[in-house]
Amino acid sequence: DTAVSQTPKYLVTQMGNDKSIKCEQNLGHDTMYWYKQDSKKFLKIMFSYNNKELIINETVPNRFSPKSPDKAHLNLHINSLELGDSAVYFCASSLGTGQSNYGYTFGSGTRLTVV
Amino acid sequence: AQSVTQPDIHITVSEGASLELRCNYSYGATPYLFWYVQSPGQGLQLLLKYFSGDTLVQGIKGFEAEFKRSQSSFNLRKPSVHWSDAAEYFCAVVFYGQNFVFGPGTRLSVLP
Repeated sequence: DTAVSQTPKYLVTQMGNDKSIKCEQNLGHDTMYWYKQDSKKFLKIMFSYNNKELIINETVPNRFSPKSPDKAHLNLHINSLELGDSAVYFCASSLGTGQSNYGYTFGSGTRLTVV
Repeated sequence: AQSVTQPDIHITVSEGASLELRCNYSYGATPYLFWYVQSPGQGLQLLLKYFSGDTLVQGIKGFEAEFKRSQSSFNLRKPSVHWSDAAEYFCAVVFYGQNFVFGPGTRLSVLP
């Protein structure tokens, strides 16, 4: 069973479209995250949710909106896609936050290409 | 602000050779420390972590890392590299009251 699963794995779309990426974890973790990995492999946190509540919202355009219907799911919706949004988006989960964080479990990533 | 550096962007070693990947952090307190590996087209997998206690920690796939407080370092080592170890390696730290900070990554290539 996949611990953190993201769908879709690949997403190619045109500029201006709206798209969603879904993430689910079956680990019973209480915190979930979205990270963006750019072409230089740099990982940057976007959002963090703890028990369905937003706890981290880094400087991300408001075209990006996370939604957490329950603590096992954290979806990412992106409006009006731009070329610069092309990247790999990783979902992750952890037990605890801050220095009670015992390490992330990552999904396999969603490669978003905006054309 | 806290930061994590991995001085080597790309390292190439021969199969069977030993490996050391460097990681340094800058901040006053001792953080929790992690190493992750990302194989091509894959997500990140946790190799090992250090919270406290013995400064030499063992991880999966034959990796180990040593925490040196005086050098603010957490270097990853493997005595004999296998071709399947070719991947991107990320050091990560979490400081009190903060969230994870990832280093920029080191790409490992393995020559046959």
